[in-house]
Amino acid sequence: AQSVTQLDSHVSVSEGTPVLLRCNYSSSYSPSLFWYVQHPNKGLQLLLKYTSAATLVKGINGFEAEFKKSETSFHLTKPSAHMSDAAEYFCVVSAVDSNYQLIWGAGTKLIIKP
Amino acid sequence: GAGVSQSPSNKVTEKGKDVELRCDPISGHTALYWYRQSLGQGLEFLIYFQGNSAPDKSGLPSDRFSAERTGGSVSTLTIQRTQQEDSAVYLCASSLEREGLQFFGPGTRLTVL
Repeated sequence: AQSVTQLDSHVSVSEGTPVLLRCNYSSSYSPSLFWYVQHPNKGLQLLLKYTSAATLVKGINGFEAEFKKSETSFHLTKPSAHMSDAAEYFCVVSAVDSNYQLIWGAGTKLIIKP
Repeated sequence: GAGVSQSPSNKVTEKGKDVELRCDPISGHTALYWYRQSLGQGLEFLIYFQGNSAPDKSGLPSDRFSAERTGGSVSTLTIQRTQQEDSAVYLCASSLEREGLQFFGPGTRLTVL
């Protein structure tokens, strides 16, 4: 069975500083991993995905994530935060033994301080 | 349209009433998922349709919840005798195939008074 843990419910950073949103997962099989973003009053948008190719995945809006099997982590990073990055971020795992359903983390709210 | 659409965008109902939520997936997508997001919670899987196969209903929280998918396209999620704890955003997603990337609709915000 799979599970996803987002280690921080809220992360607050100043504009222009680096962003780190942490995610750990457990999976019996080789998983696919995703980060989704949800801006206030908007639908979900895919940021990036990992599907057993390169372990460092680049996504939209300057975000990237690194798959570390030994640490069972898939942390999301961005070198320099922008005010428009303020949103809720979800780490998600999917694998064959869950019928490819998406197992969602609880979300991390990213707050950007001016 | 090019994306997944859902209607209504907002629904306010009284406790005990039935509601129907609609999802129009991307044309040609064989897989369709329903999720809900309660306030402060992560997304919760509800039900999954794949082609003509029997749906996976393992995520439905009670027998008040049901869903159908007509003609392999449009899906309707029905909640009978709504309760206040049913208040949430209900999200629909579709994918080209079972393990494909899921595209999400904007959701229906359900409020049960």
